[in-house]
Amino acid sequence: DTGVSQDPRHKITKRGQNVTFRCDPISEHNRLYWYRQTLGQGPEFLTYFQNEAQLEKSRLLSDRFSAERPKGSFSTLEIQRTEQGDSAMYLCASSLLPNEKLFFGSGTQLSVL
Amino acid sequence: GESVGLHLPTLSVQEGDNSIINCAYSNSASDYFIWYKQESGKGPQFIIDIRSNMDKRQGQRVTVLLNKTVKHLSLQIAATQPGDSAVYFCAEAGDYQLIWGAGTKLIIKP
Repeated sequence: DTGVSQDPRHKITKRGQNVTFRCDPISEHNRLYWYRQTLGQGPEFLTYFQNEAQLEKSRLLSDRFSAERPKGSFSTLEIQRTEQGDSAMYLCASSLLPNEKLFFGSGTQLSVL
Repeated sequence: GESVGLHLPTLSVQEGDNSIINCAYSNSASDYFIWYKQESGKGPQFIIDIRSNMDKRQGQRVTVLLNKTVKHLSLQIAATQPGDSAVYFCAEAGDYQLIWGAGTKLIIKP
């Protein structure tokens, strides 16, 4: 499978715990994006990487959220001290050109109890 | 801020008929648009894109129309099939992010 891969598919955690998600983009894509989506809504932009550089971060990304792409390939998104409001689908996408033809993974569904 | 919206939250179509899903956008300077299909529990799937220097673009069973005068996009699906059941989003490319509407749910009646 040469698409965008995300792991895990589902995560259930208790409030206050830390969680980390992984994204493996399409191999030739140097641009990687994280979005968050709640039921019935369109995805909301969180952050954007070009290679290993994090170029943009949404105001939605509080201090509890951090994303990395250390070698310009896979990326991780960590949420510290999770809150119930963090429950959502976390989507990763990659592209070859900036903000064009983004291809998405299947997402990580986070449930904070 | 700028936004992209959809006219209808739910669209029911008879199997075999054509579907038309509409979308309005507000930023007249936008020059790139994408349609995505999202099935339950999955990530958005790229369908087709269009640049502002085009009025129409065709793919396999899908056509996107862009009317810049009224800032309107539509996605036409020919001969709708049960597998077309999903939520469809139009998205507008900003500087570094896609700006999404809330989605239209397409229901196929047998």
